[in-house]
Amino acid sequence: DVVMTQSPLSLPVTLGQPASISCRSSQSLVNSDGNTYLNWFQQRPGQSPRRLIYKVSNRDSGVPDRFSGSGSGTDFTLRISRVEAEDIGVYYCMQGTHWPPITFGQGTRLEIK
Amino acid sequence: EVQLVESGGGLVQPGRSLRLSCTGSGFTFGDSAMTWVRQAPGKGLEWVGLIRSKPYGETTEYAASVKGRFIISRDDSKSVAYLQMNSLISEDTAVYYCTKGRSELPVWGQGTLVTVSS
Repeated sequence: DVVMTQSPLSLPVTLGQPASISCRSSQSLVNSDGNTYLNWFQQRPGQSPRRLIYKVSNRDSGVPDRFSGSGSGTDFTLRISRVEAEDIGVYYCMQGTHWPPITFGQGTRLEIK
Repeated sequence: EVQLVESGGGLVQPGRSLRLSCTGSGFTFGDSAMTWVRQAPGKGLEWVGLIRSKPYGETTEYAASVKGRFIISRDDSKSVAYLQMNSLISEDTAVYYCTKGRSELPVWGQGTLVTVSS
């Protein structure tokens, strides 16, 4: 199984400041079809997960442009350019290239300082 | 608007069975694989399994932790996917989410809580 490792696991951030979450996979996530199935999800307190980014860097509809994804191979990053209060929650990376099983990172809890 | 609504959760004794349902709307249900993901209290997300669409034989895949105990099925005429959970153990206590697709999971339901306890 592909292991997804996120860091940090806890991320205290000042409002208006940038934030960055790293996600590393135990093997390359480049699929035989040329796509890299690396997604990012946000889970606000008491809510179900919401996809923010798909295939590394594509923002979902309605996701603010302060969120961006980047990376390749085994190394990926989610960036928030200026953190807002509504961004509080847990962020997960997920790989859909080598399955079954689909695997998730442990989650990174973003909190306001 | 694409929507998924789970139902069927509740309190169940160890060793017993429970069936969850996931009703989809706003998309062509029969064209989509459907995936189940769970989240134990205070923990992260764990993939449970999926069922492919009819053109792909409605075949299924399962996580090792549930293989042989859980069965995923679908009824496209009703736009519903099912998760039949047998021989439940305390470690199955979680919120169960259904999601659309297999590798990208763009839409999630609100989840249904399953508590396995005597």
